[in-house]
Amino acid sequence: AQRVTQPEKLLSVFKGAPVELKCNYSYSGSPELFWYVQYSRQRLQLLLRHISRESIKGFTADLNKGETSFHLKKPFAQEEDSAMYYCALLISGNQFYFGTGTSLTVIP
Amino acid sequence: EAQVTQNPRYLITVTGKKLTVTCSQNMNHEYMSWYRQDPGLGLRQIYYSMNVEVTDKGDVPEGYKVSRKEKRNFPLILESPSPNQTSLYFCASRAGHLGGEAFFGQGTRLTVV
Repeated sequence: AQRVTQPEKLLSVFKGAPVELKCNYSYSGSPELFWYVQYSRQRLQLLLRHISRESIKGFTADLNKGETSFHLKKPFAQEEDSAMYYCALLISGNQFYFGTGTSLTVIP
Repeated sequence: EAQVTQNPRYLITVTGKKLTVTCSQNMNHEYMSWYRQDPGLGLRQIYYSMNVEVTDKGDVPEGYKVSRKEKRNFPLILESPSPNQTSLYFCASRAGHLGGEAFFGQGTRLTVV
């Protein structure tokens, strides 16, 4: 069963427009949720983790347990935000479940 | 510099010829894991290890083996590779505390012909 769902494979927005990348998860326990980003030809790197409630590169994500969602948002997209974004759920300390990813393109 | 190092970066091999992809981390992390990344499927966990001599299957372990004899190393072994194992492979390590970030290697692109 798919534990993490990212419904959009591709998302294009204009520079300066708001962007939201959706993520829903399926897990009955207390989730540990992350957003990872993969820029072209680079390794995956951590963008956000829900536990720290931080804002990185202008991105934020709020865990909504009622809707089992962890959507990633940014009010004003930049060209350098173009990348592949993965939502990930961590269970039992080391079992990561990744979504299928959303490829974001920011149009100049 | 804290990092996870995989070797080789690129590998083309033939069906049935045993191969090993190495993974090493210098952060003294307890947890290490292997993933394969395929178009439309995202990353899927192959195997993971919670410490030395402790390994367990992930979502797609068939056709793979791993070992964890030392804390820093976690090699991925394909005893008899097949074309459906052509993929991009990532190793990752993570400290054990809550919210600990997973650090990923640079990836190994494997082609089995």
